Amino acid sequence: DQQVKQNSPSLSVQEGRISILNCDYTNSMFDYFLWYKKYPAEGPTFLISISSIKDKNEDGRFTVFLNKSAKHLSLHIVPSQPGDSAVYFCAASSSSNTGKLIFGQGTTLQVKP
Amino acid sequence: SQTIHQWPATLVQPVGSPLSLECTVEGTSNPNLYWYRQAAGRGLQLLFYSVGIGQISSEVPQNLSASRPQDRQFILSSKKLLLSDSGFYLCAWSKGQKNTGELFFGEGSRLTVL
Repeated sequence: DQQVKQNSPSLSVQEGRISILNCDYTNSMFDYFLWYKKYPAEGPTFLISISSIKDKNEDGRFTVFLNKSAKHLSLHIVPSQPGDSAVYFCAASSSSNTGKLIFGQGTTLQVKP
Repeated sequence: SQTIHQWPATLVQPVGSPLSLECTVEGTSNPNLYWYRQAAGRGLQLLFYSVGIGQISSEVPQNLSASRPQDRQFILSSKKLLLSDSGFYLCAWSKGQKNTGELFFGEGSRLTVL
């Protein structure tokens, strides 16, 4: 049972354009959502998060949007840079099970110069 | 500052051989500790987590086991490896008190079982 899904395994965008990575979840108990970035042969690093009491959180070029009714969140990167090329994982947790993150399958983003 | 290290970084083992991956966290006390696995083409799967010394919870039935002999040490083991155990193993920690779930990952260990 895949509780967190990233249905697009890969995404390719041109430098300077917007990258939109999508994530869907099924468990209504999830109330905290995170995005991680991962380079090959390295551990994931935290990028940005959002609580279920918000619908948007922005940090520089990165913005995460949450649509609770649709159980959908997205990560926007604008403008995209070649250094953003990596695998992006969406993750979710519930306050009743704090610390246990459930990850999606990941989306490989390629930003072309 | 807090740091997390895991080793070895790369391991090639024959089927049926034992396994031991180690993870150590520095700069924090009473962390929650986790072992995740990233299999080829799949996401990060939670294998084990621990909220304290000797306290281990297993998320999925499998050929692996975990132990926490010290507060900041987490070990992943197997007595006999299977081909399906191949993957990228990640140790992670989070704050032991109620937190929002942010994890800090180690560098990862690439295991290939032949």
